[in-house]
Amino acid sequence: DVVMTQSPLSLPVTLGQPASISCSSSQSLVYSDGNTYLNWFQQRPGQSPRRLIYKVSNRDSGVPDRFSGSGSGTDFTLKISRVEAEDVGVYYCMQGTHWPRTFGQGTKVEIK
Amino acid sequence: EVQLVESGGGLVQPGGSLRLSCAASGFTFNTYWMTWVRQAPGKGLEWVANIKQDGSEKYYVDSVKGRFTISRDNAKNSLYLQMNSLRAEDTAVYYCARGMTTADYWGQGTLVTVSS
Repeated sequence: DVVMTQSPLSLPVTLGQPASISCSSSQSLVYSDGNTYLNWFQQRPGQSPRRLIYKVSNRDSGVPDRFSGSGSGTDFTLKISRVEAEDVGVYYCMQGTHWPRTFGQGTKVEIK
Repeated sequence: EVQLVESGGGLVQPGGSLRLSCAASGFTFNTYWMTWVRQAPGKGLEWVANIKQDGSEKYYVDSVKGRFTISRDNAKNSLYLQMNSLRAEDTAVYYCARGMTTADYWGQGTLVTVSS
């Protein structure tokens, strides 16, 4: 199975400051069709997960543009340009290239 | 508006069975792969199973192979997860989600507790 490793696992951030979460995969996530199926999800306390980013860098409708995704191959990053109070929660990366699909352990973002 | 509504969770004894359902609306159900994802209490997300649009392909995480069966009824816009031989470690919130390489919409989840 493809192992997804996130860092850090806990991220205290000051409001208005940037934040960055890394995700690395044990195998390349480039699929035979040329796409890289790396997703980012946000789970706010007490809520279902919500997709933020798909195929590395495509932001979902309604997701603020302070969220951005980047990376290639086996190394990926989710960045929040200026953290707001509503960004508190756990963030997961997930690969959709290999079976079984796998998630990272999650990164808990909290306000300092 | 896309909606996914899970049901069927509850308390079951070890070794028991449970069938989860997911009612889909707001999109053309038979044109999408569907997914089950679970989350143990206080833990992270774990992908469980996927099913193709016509049910001809199914994939499972190793820990549920031979015990869980994913299925769908496109006429009823519904997704199912039949869970047999349940173990304590299957205790989790089970989410229904849309997609194959991703999960763009999620339901609210249904809690399954396996305990004597």
